[in-house]
Amino acid sequence: AQSVTQLDSHVSVSEGTPVLLRCNYSSSYSPSLFWYVQHPNKGLQLLLKYTSAATLVKGINGFEAEFKKSETSFHLTKPSAHMSDAAEYFCVVGGGNKLTFGTGTQLKVEL
Amino acid sequence: AAGVIQSPRHLIKEKRETATLKCYPIPRHDTVYWYQQGPGQDPQFLISFYEKMQSDKGSIPDRFSAQQFSDYHSELNMSSLELGDSALYFCASSLTSPGQSHYGYTFGSGTRLTVV
Repeated sequence: AQSVTQLDSHVSVSEGTPVLLRCNYSSSYSPSLFWYVQHPNKGLQLLLKYTSAATLVKGINGFEAEFKKSETSFHLTKPSAHMSDAAEYFCVVGGGNKLTFGTGTQLKVEL
Repeated sequence: AAGVIQSPRHLIKEKRETATLKCYPIPRHDTVYWYQQGPGQDPQFLISFYEKMQSDKGSIPDRFSAQQFSDYHSELNMSSLELGDSALYFCASSLTSPGQSHYGYTFGSGTRLTVV
């Protein structure tokens, strides 16, 4: 069994400030973990993924995430937010035969 | 690089009609997954196939059926459509290792189904 919890449904930051989107997971397997971004009326785009290699994963558009097994966390960060980062972000755990999605975090970026 | 191809991109159907959605996985990927994302909802797992056999089943209505063909493409068949079936339907594919680890999960752009 597996589950994923995104701790914030909405996050609002100012442009140029750091972004932190929080995700905790549970899994009976050695999990694969992903962050996907979805812009309005668009498909899911993979930001980054963890598959038991380096615990600090670098993704596209300056995003990165750190896998912390002791905390069962996989938080997404970015040093400096850009207006184009405004979107919904899904933390996803993979194992067994399917992916399990978090409920999403809506990121708002203000001037 | 080749991606997961879904067709059609958009589909409008009337209530009680049928619809067929198609998914073409990345070459050499052997596992296909279907997800449904209603307006303002997170994606919900419907069903998956590994090597042409159903491997897992989620919240897929009995009115829906799916299969994976010999060329690994998959089709989701939806009958007696209801207004509530209006959603974005995503397909994803991956390569399954012998140890049941999955690599390369890649999503298609989705098919937006509108039932009127």
